[in-house]
Amino acid sequence: EPEVTQTPSHQVTQMGQEVILRCVPISNHLYFYWYRQILGQKVEFLVSFYNNEISEKSEIFDDQFSVERPDGSNFTLKIRSTKLEDSAMYFCASSVDARFGELFFGEGSRLTVL
Amino acid sequence: EDQVTQSPEALRLQEGESSSLNCSYTVSGLRGLFWYRQDPGKGPEFLFTLYSAGEEKEKERLKATLTKKESFLHITAPKPEDSATYLCAVQARVGAAGNKLTFGGGTRVLVKP
Repeated sequence: EPEVTQTPSHQVTQMGQEVILRCVPISNHLYFYWYRQILGQKVEFLVSFYNNEISEKSEIFDDQFSVERPDGSNFTLKIRSTKLEDSAMYFCASSVDARFGELFFGEGSRLTVL
Repeated sequence: EDQVTQSPEALRLQEGESSSLNCSYTVSGLRGLFWYRQDPGKGPEFLFTLYSAGEEKEKERLKATLTKKESFLHITAPKPEDSATYLCAVQARVGAAGNKLTFGGGTRVLVKP
């Protein structure tokens, strides 16, 4: 069964460092998303991406965050200068169609900022 | 602002003891309501989408229903492998084209043998 894959599964970084989280969405999907979940809290929307541009972003997704689809398969989330409060599980998701979109999520990348 | 509230926060069941989880929502025009299952340390796993009031979906021991203000996830004769956190999320009809999901806090279900 096709699945969304994410790397790394866990990353530990120092405050102020840049982090790139990588995702390979399901191959025929057109819409890509990043969500995050701080320990014990709700899953929160960060950004959606379609046709090589951001289609929607949340207030959390400030200038420190960026997304990119550098080739036909990868979808990345970059955090330019990490803060302690960026520690969370980051989930990539993809869907075939935004109108009737079941989102399929990856296993997540746990980011720990020290 | 779209809001989703799930209750109870946690539920302990004996194997075979049926129960229901509640998801109350407010949204500016519902496009879809989604149920996901999340195991510890894993990503949400899609279960159901409901689009309109009165709709019902079933999968094994799970049945989801939808009204204009809430959704229920019924677990019939649960087994220990049904232990997980069940997440409810809504997608609004109006707004930006990104079609984000707004999640509730989840219900942690523990089924004891």
